[in-house]
Amino acid sequence: GAVVSQHPSWVICKSGTSVKIECRSLDFQATTMFWYRQFPKQSLMLMATSNEGSKATYEQGVEKDKFLINHASLTLSTLTVTSAHPEDSSFYICSARAGEQYFGPGTRLTVT
Amino acid sequence: KNQVEQSPQSLIILEGKNCTLQCNYTVSPFSNLRWYKQDTGRGPVSLTIMTFSENTKSNGRYTATLDADTKQSSLHITASQLSDSASYICVVSKGGSYIPTFGRGTSLIVHP
Repeated sequence: GAVVSQHPSWVICKSGTSVKIECRSLDFQATTMFWYRQFPKQSLMLMATSNEGSKATYEQGVEKDKFLINHASLTLSTLTVTSAHPEDSSFYICSARAGEQYFGPGTRLTVT
Repeated sequence: KNQVEQSPQSLIILEGKNCTLQCNYTVSPFSNLRWYKQDTGRGPVSLTIMTFSENTKSNGRYTATLDADTKQSSLHITASQLSDSASYICVVSKGGSYIPTFGRGTSLIVHP
């Protein structure tokens, strides 16, 4: 139980384009989902907290207009990286909260 | 500032040997502490979770200890296997908040 999936698992996009990453809780409902970014050999950095049916709460330094988060249902949250730049290349991980946090497998984004 | 410090930053051991990873934290008030294993390019997977009243928790060859007085935890891996090669992350949650604080992780490499 408590499985979280992400799609896609990896994506390569050109600079200036937008990319959408999906996070789904497969066998439970999650009112709260979290989006993290992880650079090589670094720890997970929380980007934003996504609550179903309401606006996401962004951490300091994270541009909400660049990283659009939508949590339309209790099992799905999406992160859209708009006008992507090479410095946005990173490993993006979501987690869903059901008591404790369960992490997705991550999405590797490469912006060329 | 709530912090989680892990040591060593990296560790190389031979297959079959034991090792111990350390985690010191200043998060207060303390709620719980988790150890996660993160394989390269994957999301973190929970190994153990301990609350204030628990001082040891085992999961197969993994044994975590917690000293809430000194705010220290350790993760002991017995009879290491090649598949134990990964990053091990200590995560501490604060009472009243569901947003945890992540350590930077210890990178473990097990050589044959």
